[in-house]
Amino acid sequence: GAVVSQHPSRVICKSGTSVKIECRSLDFQATTMFWYRQFPKQSLMLMATSNEGSKATYEQGVEKDKFLINHASLTLSTLTVTSAHPEDSSFYICSATPIREFYGYTFGSGTRLTVV
Amino acid sequence: GEDVEQSLFLSVREGDSSVINCTYTDSSSTYLYWYKQEPGAGLQLLTYIFSNMDMKQDQRLTVLLNKKDKHLSLRIADTQTGDSAIYFCAERRGYSTLTFGKGTMLLVSP
Repeated sequence: GAVVSQHPSRVICKSGTSVKIECRSLDFQATTMFWYRQFPKQSLMLMATSNEGSKATYEQGVEKDKFLINHASLTLSTLTVTSAHPEDSSFYICSATPIREFYGYTFGSGTRLTVV
Repeated sequence: GEDVEQSLFLSVREGDSSVINCTYTDSSSTYLYWYKQEPGAGLQLLTYIFSNMDMKQDQRLTVLLNKKDKHLSLRIADTQTGDSAIYFCAERRGYSTLTFGKGTMLLVSP
């Protein structure tokens, strides 16, 4: 079935540095991938929709200059948290669905970001 | 208020059935999903139901959809300790992304 690989699973970085998170669809192509953020004991908050070959669509309140999204191919989307601050510490999850399938979003295993 | 609502916590004994409930507000929802999240992990798709269906059964899982009341439930038969996790209900409108509830923590005791 559809598998989404997300790396790294955990990362600790210093304030002011940037961190890149990768999301890959391993056995299917995805023109669209989604990036979510999850706070402790809360639901997933959609941050942005990543579109292959075009600019990402950000949800209201999400800073596009802080959370850079690149979807350079049909199997890879990256999220870069720039100039990270402790309040950016969170669990980030990506998801994708195969082209031509209208159900069954597959999620990556998530990335726990801790900014110190 | 929230578009998708779930109770936050459910505790059952091993071997019992678990029923997790969810309500949504958008009548144009096309697909409704149940996801499972174990600690520190991503979301695992358990099952989904198309909006024109009333029920779907898949092994120990039974999904019931009451479209009139916009109510969705997930029943887990013969609940096991390995079923302990957070369960998210989600709705999809058209071909857009998903809207999630806050999740129901299921605790299964031996």
